[in-house]
Amino acid sequence: GAGVSQSPSNKVTEKGKDVELRCDPISGHTALYWYRQSLGQGLEFLIYFQGNSAPDKSGLPSDRFSAERTGGSVSTLTIQRTQQEDSAVYLCASGLAGATDTQYFGPGTRLTVL
Amino acid sequence: GENVEQHPSTLSVQEGDSAVIKCTYSDSASNYFPWYKQELGKRPQLIIDIRSNVGEKKDQRIAVTLNKTAKHFSLHITETQPEDSAVYFCAALTGYALNFGKGTSLLVTP
Repeated sequence: GAGVSQSPSNKVTEKGKDVELRCDPISGHTALYWYRQSLGQGLEFLIYFQGNSAPDKSGLPSDRFSAERTGGSVSTLTIQRTQQEDSAVYLCASGLAGATDTQYFGPGTRLTVL
Repeated sequence: GENVEQHPSTLSVQEGDSAVIKCTYSDSASNYFPWYKQELGKRPQLIIDIRSNVGEKKDQRIAVTLNKTAKHFSLHITETQPEDSAVYFCAALTGYALNFGKGTSLLVTP
């Protein structure tokens, strides 16, 4: 079946602008995660959604970052007033109900803030 | 919070040799340890994982060992091939979040 998809694949924006990144998880997966991967670095956890429960936002780096998940499926990560240090690849992953289930990653969105 | 250290950061081996990558974690509550392979410009792909109730798991040329007492786990790749060249990430799960190491860039030379 279809894997996790993300859009856009690349986004170039100017400092101070807002951006929205989209994630379509694998159908039937109730868990959805957002990670950030800076150049040459590991993956940094941002936020976790599980079904209709309140999301775990503990990894969001500042209040400029927010995420929604509508209808328990598609998720949008919003970054307001982008800064150059926000430049990174933003990866989404989805999985089945349990936290120890495999997380399947999307291809990522490469964000460049000029 | 959880801190995952991964070594080495780069590793170069000759085709056919073995490669070992080691990770340590700090949170004794961590109970799930996956390894991901990421080729250049591609998404991370799970290659093997281990849960805290076992000490070793094998899948063909790949094996992972876990020492809960020492809080470290390792990836072993035997009979390496050029297509094994990639960045490998270890991770430890605490609560809901996977905490990743910074990655090991593996180069397998023919």
